[in-house]
Amino acid sequence: DAGITQSPRHKVTETGTPVTLRCHQTENHRYMYWYRQDPGHGLRLIHYSYGVKDTDKGEVSDGYSVSRSKTEDFLLTLESATSSQTSVYFCAISETSGGPRETQYFGPGTRLLVL
Amino acid sequence: DQQVKQNSPSLSVQEGRISILNCDYTNSMFDYFLWYKKYPAEGPTFLISISSIKDKNEDGRFTVFLNKSAKHLSLHIVPSQPGDSAVYFCAASERDDKIIFGKGTRLHILP
Repeated sequence: DAGITQSPRHKVTETGTPVTLRCHQTENHRYMYWYRQDPGHGLRLIHYSYGVKDTDKGEVSDGYSVSRSKTEDFLLTLESATSSQTSVYFCAISETSGGPRETQYFGPGTRLLVL
Repeated sequence: DQQVKQNSPSLSVQEGRISILNCDYTNSMFDYFLWYKKYPAEGPTFLISISSIKDKNEDGRFTVFLNKSAKHLSLHIVPSQPGDSAVYFCAASERDDKIIFGKGTRLHILP
């Protein structure tokens, strides 16, 4: 299994509160991704990173920001959480040599509930 | 506007029989297709992929078929086993662009 951890694994927060989710990898992979999974929507890309300090938006990036100051860590921040951001969040990584079409390895997920 | 469509939210198949999961796509520029499998409370795991230069790729019990003219791909699992019960996501990408996932199909393998 690829070395990917996500923290926290579960979080309950209130509307308007800032929330940061962390993804940590031990594989030295170049690409890192944040997805959300919702019933009826499958997996949707929020943001991704193609290197330290290099990030780009996915299809559902509104209300989210990311940062990558080290190869191994990719942070997802909800500046002011809303109930529509209640979801399961997955981090994924892919290998150094390829682009986004390289096999992605997923973390275990973070279940976020915004009340 | 969904570019990758999995029109069957769920599918039940008897153990030992063939499971066929279908996926349609709308973007004719997609040239790489993947299937991921997901168990509850776990992250998705890569299962099998196919490039648009092929029409079939096989890996053990899993075979993916690609019909470019119909913009359709399918995943065949033969024989189906209890451990195959999971959600299966179809995904596609255009050149080196991001991967687009479908909504998933929940497969139930019946004893």
